[in-house]
Amino acid sequence: EAQVTQNPRYLITVTGKKLTVTCSQNMNHEYMSWYRQDPGLGLRQIYYSMNVEVTDKGDVPEGYKVSRKEKRNFPLILESPSPNQTSLYFCASSLGYTDTQYFGPGTRLTVL
Amino acid sequence: KNEVEQSPQNLTAQEGEFITINCSYSVGISALHWLQQHPGGGIVSLFMLSSGKKKHGRLIATINIQEKHSSLHITASHPRDSAVYICAVRSLASGTYKYIFGTGTRLKVLA
Repeated sequence: EAQVTQNPRYLITVTGKKLTVTCSQNMNHEYMSWYRQDPGLGLRQIYYSMNVEVTDKGDVPEGYKVSRKEKRNFPLILESPSPNQTSLYFCASSLGYTDTQYFGPGTRLTVL
Repeated sequence: KNEVEQSPQNLTAQEGEFITINCSYSVGISALHWLQQHPGGGIVSLFMLSSGKKKHGRLIATINIQEKHSSLHITASHPRDSAVYICAVRSLASGTYKYIFGTGTRLKVLA
């Protein structure tokens, strides 16, 4: 089944404890992206990747890192999480930038 | 002012009603997407438009590039249409490959 998977789905952590949210797709998509969704602000793009080893900042990249070493995986790294990074995170992928995006199920992160 | 504005923010309708959700944007775009987010949180893409009109079942999406405006219509609405509908634009800015989203329209259809 064609899908985008994210892990973990739920995470409660404390300020400053490094964490990684994984994202994987099995559709051989080139474009992958991370978004956060907050009440009243909607979805905002954190980082995106056009292909392996090609990444760029979205509108809210501060406090996040990404890497794209393999085509299927695009992990989101929070090196020192803070409470303002408490949010619902979505990973998405598409064949190319101009194509329909497929979204993962979301990861609800709480930073205490 | 947000670069992508949706209206209304909230909408309650009776089953069977014709529904219109609007999206206006102020930036140059190469395409516009309509997304649906159900209460469980999952997001699915409904339409991708760069011009004209598209139809899928009871859903119709239109875009007017000159007026920088798009509409999503739902005909013969049903309670299962209850969801948040999100407009997203694909930026045309040189050298970037970003998406910009509206804050969503929360639709509730009553039986």
